Amino acid sequence: EAGVTQFPSHSVIEKGQTVTLRCDPISGHDNLYWYRRVMGKEIKFLLHFVKESKQDESGMPNNRFLAERTGGTYSTLKVQPAELEDSGVYFCASSQVGYGKNIQYFGAGTRLSVL
Amino acid sequence: AQSVSQHNHHVILSEAASLELGCNYSYGGTVNLFWYVQYPGQHLQLLLKYFSGDPLVKGIKGFEAEFIKSKFSFNLRKPSVQWSDTAEYFCAVILGNEKLTFGTGTRLTIIP
Repeated sequence: EAGVTQFPSHSVIEKGQTVTLRCDPISGHDNLYWYRRVMGKEIKFLLHFVKESKQDESGMPNNRFLAERTGGTYSTLKVQPAELEDSGVYFCASSQVGYGKNIQYFGAGTRLSVL
Repeated sequence: AQSVSQHNHHVILSEAASLELGCNYSYGGTVNLFWYVQYPGQHLQLLLKYFSGDPLVKGIKGFEAEFIKSKFSFNLRKPSVQWSDTAEYFCAVILGNEKLTFGTGTRLTIIP
């Protein structure tokens, strides 16, 4: 069974540019989460999809970040325009719905470097 | 605010030493508790979890953790570490809702 896959693994862009990160969850997982780790700090929640609906986006830093999950399958996270403080590792996770099933499986992450 | 604390930022041990990594959380309600591990160059993997029942949970690779509700703690232990345990370890909780709240992580270095 394929795990959570993220693309690209590493992105280097200049301040002001746009970057789109992609996450493919495990097949059949309706829950999809985005997290971010800024260097030296804890992994922080960004948002949570259930299928194609945003369940919780309380962790999104500002309106430069836009997440979508069309059709309830893969998700994209767009940063436009990117700022220096957006640098970090962006993780995606997925899980099944239901008590006792919310074990989140993580992708390898996308390392974003904004210069 | 709800939070998770990992008190050890970097731990260095020799092979065969015993390991205990601390994790405390601040929340008075029902929690689900996790330890994740990230080996160098790899993705975050689930080491073990606690949802309910026996507070002593066993995970993969000989790790175990004990949930002590009165102390709001979920410390990770391993009686004898190996060089291959070198990794970063993250304690995390789900506090009622579904998002994980992580500690800052503990980097473990095992010296052969």
